[in-house]
Amino acid sequence: EAGVVQSPRYKIIEKKQPVAFWCNPISGHNTLYWYRQNLGQGPELLIRYENEEAVDDSQLPKDRFSAERLKGVDSTLKIQPAELGDSAVYLCASSSLLAGTNNEQFFGPGTRLTVL
Amino acid sequence: GENVEQHPSTLSVQEGDSAVIKCTYSDSASNYFPWYKQELGKRPQLIIDIRSNVGEKKDQRIAVTLNKTAKHFSLHITETQPEDSAVYFCAAKSTARQLTFGSGTQLTVLP
Repeated sequence: EAGVVQSPRYKIIEKKQPVAFWCNPISGHNTLYWYRQNLGQGPELLIRYENEEAVDDSQLPKDRFSAERLKGVDSTLKIQPAELGDSAVYLCASSSLLAGTNNEQFFGPGTRLTVL
Repeated sequence: GENVEQHPSTLSVQEGDSAVIKCTYSDSASNYFPWYKQELGKRPQLIIDIRSNVGEKKDQRIAVTLNKTAKHFSLHITETQPEDSAVYFCAAKSTARQLTFGSGTQLTVLP
């Protein structure tokens, strides 16, 4: 079974440019998460989806960040315009609400964003 | 919201020795405590977890203990091996809220 897939793996852009990240969760996982991980720190939740509904986006900087999960499967996270402080690894994770799964979150490999 | 503190930030042990990483949490409603291992440049992977109705859980060389009264939990790795070297993150989750991660511990196992 394929794990969580993310692309691109690396992205280098200049400040003020837009950037988008894509995530394909594990098949059947209805919950999808976007995290940001700064160097030397733990992941911080940006947004959580239950199917196509964003149920927790309190930590998403809505002035420049947006996300969507139109069909309840794949998701995209966009930053426009990017700032120097946005340099980080953006992790996508997914989990299942089925009984016995413990809601374990499976992480993708992440997208390492560098803003110059 | 939840606040998770993790100590130490770095830990070096000799191969074969034990390693202990400790975390505290603030939200008494938290009931799920996973530990993730993240190797350099790779994704975090769950290595063990514990729920609040259990005080201790063991899986081969790793174990986790939970003290709900004191709101702290610990990861114990015995007979450490060089491949145990990685960053370890604790996390806490309540039913209504999401995972809050600690700041990580860089474990180095010296051969």
